[in-house]
Amino acid sequence: NAGVTQTPKFQVLKTGQSMTLQCAQDMNHNSMYWYRQDPGMGLRLIYYSASEGTTDKGEVPNGYNVSRLNKREFSLRLESAAPSQTSVYFCASSEASEGWYTEAFFGQGTRLTVV
Amino acid sequence: AQSVTQPDIHITVSEGASLELRCNYSYGATPYLFWYVQSPGQGLQLLLKYFSGDTLVQGIKGFEAEFKRSQSSFNLRKPSVHWSDAAEYFCAVVPRDTGRRALTFGSGTRLQVQP
Repeated sequence: NAGVTQTPKFQVLKTGQSMTLQCAQDMNHNSMYWYRQDPGMGLRLIYYSASEGTTDKGEVPNGYNVSRLNKREFSLRLESAAPSQTSVYFCASSEASEGWYTEAFFGQGTRLTVV
Repeated sequence: AQSVTQPDIHITVSEGASLELRCNYSYGATPYLFWYVQSPGQGLQLLLKYFSGDTLVQGIKGFEAEFKRSQSSFNLRKPSVHWSDAAEYFCAVVPRDTGRRALTFGSGTRLQVQP
């Protein structure tokens, strides 16, 4: 009954360091997403993957890269962290395609601080 | 431009009072509509969703929402608020008429409940 699992839950990075946030879902969903949440701005889409083997930019993709490793896993990489990337990151998954959509399920989030 | 607006950043109500949280959207075709709740330090939980049909939607925890096409609104309501309802509430949409099947969120409304 895991749903969407994100690791790590907390991370502190120095400016310029790199890291990868991991996300896995066990609901056999085709679509996966990465969002960031900042105070007063809701959640903004960074990247999404409509299906295994595809990825697309969202609203705020600069400074990030993603990999859809297989149907279950979708990772987010910060190559050179900046203080502006201090945020809470959420991974989500859903079943979606042209013409239909089901609800998205979210992980518990990763709180990232860049100093 | 396509957008989701939650005009109230912060709302305070007394326990037992009724609640209405506002959400307006600007999309060409009526999108899929959602309300999520986020307790402090937690992930997002789906309260309810509207895809089609009856414009009054029932959700979990005693919440309901009404879709009004003429006003491009999807307001969330609860007849009697409990202290445990204190949280942040997000309205979100998924467009029907584009290829991107991803949630776009409003900026959120923080609910405080007074004893």
